[in-house]
Amino acid sequence: AQKITQTQPGMFVQEKEAVTLDCTYDTSDQSYGLFWYKQPSSGEMIFLIYQGSYDEQNATEGRYSLNFQKARKSANLVISASQLGDSAMYFCAMREGSSGSARQLTFGSGTQLTVLP
Amino acid sequence: DAGVIQSPRHEVTEMGQEVTLRCKPISGHDYLFWYRQTMMRGLELLIYFNNNVPIDDSGMPEDRFSAKMPNASFSTLKIQPSEPRDSAVYFCASSLPRDRRTEAFFGQGTRLTVV
Repeated sequence: AQKITQTQPGMFVQEKEAVTLDCTYDTSDQSYGLFWYKQPSSGEMIFLIYQGSYDEQNATEGRYSLNFQKARKSANLVISASQLGDSAMYFCAMREGSSGSARQLTFGSGTQLTVLP
Repeated sequence: DAGVIQSPRHEVTEMGQEVTLRCKPISGHDYLFWYRQTMMRGLELLIYFNNNVPIDDSGMPEDRFSAKMPNASFSTLKIQPSEPRDSAVYFCASSLPRDRRTEAFFGQGTRLTVV
């Protein structure tokens, strides 16, 4: 079974509008972390935001926020006030286990976001 | 900090040749990861090291692939012999995960083309 599922291969959004990128995950661990990365056309992987499984508040980083619904096992990324520079591939990722155990990130298949002028 | 440094950025090689990809992690980071990105399979973890010791190499596709980390500041991923299906972008990443929160920092990647 897929550990991270991103069901939207591509999304379009009008400049200055908000957009939500979906991510669902599958784990039996109680302790885990969820990450979002951005990959522009230049290819680098840029960390955006983190949400811990025990965090009570949804994470926010500037225009990025994470809509974390633990019971539904979803961690959707919300980008507010979209900018042309937000056009990129976005990856959801998970790190399972508590500190000291597995350290690697497992990635979803990504969502290609295009911001329209 | 210069970030994770990978070399070369691009590599074109002929089938059957040996290819060596290099990575310098961020100073002080004790975890190093090698990922491969393809259109078909997305981002896959190949291997990762902790304190220069390989911890999990279950993602290494076959014996043609090998990775080493001789010291804390250098790692290599070698493919010998290379095949066209090895064409992909190979990322190196490093992290210092004192807890779950610490993200992995990625290098710029090496785009490998095997013809």
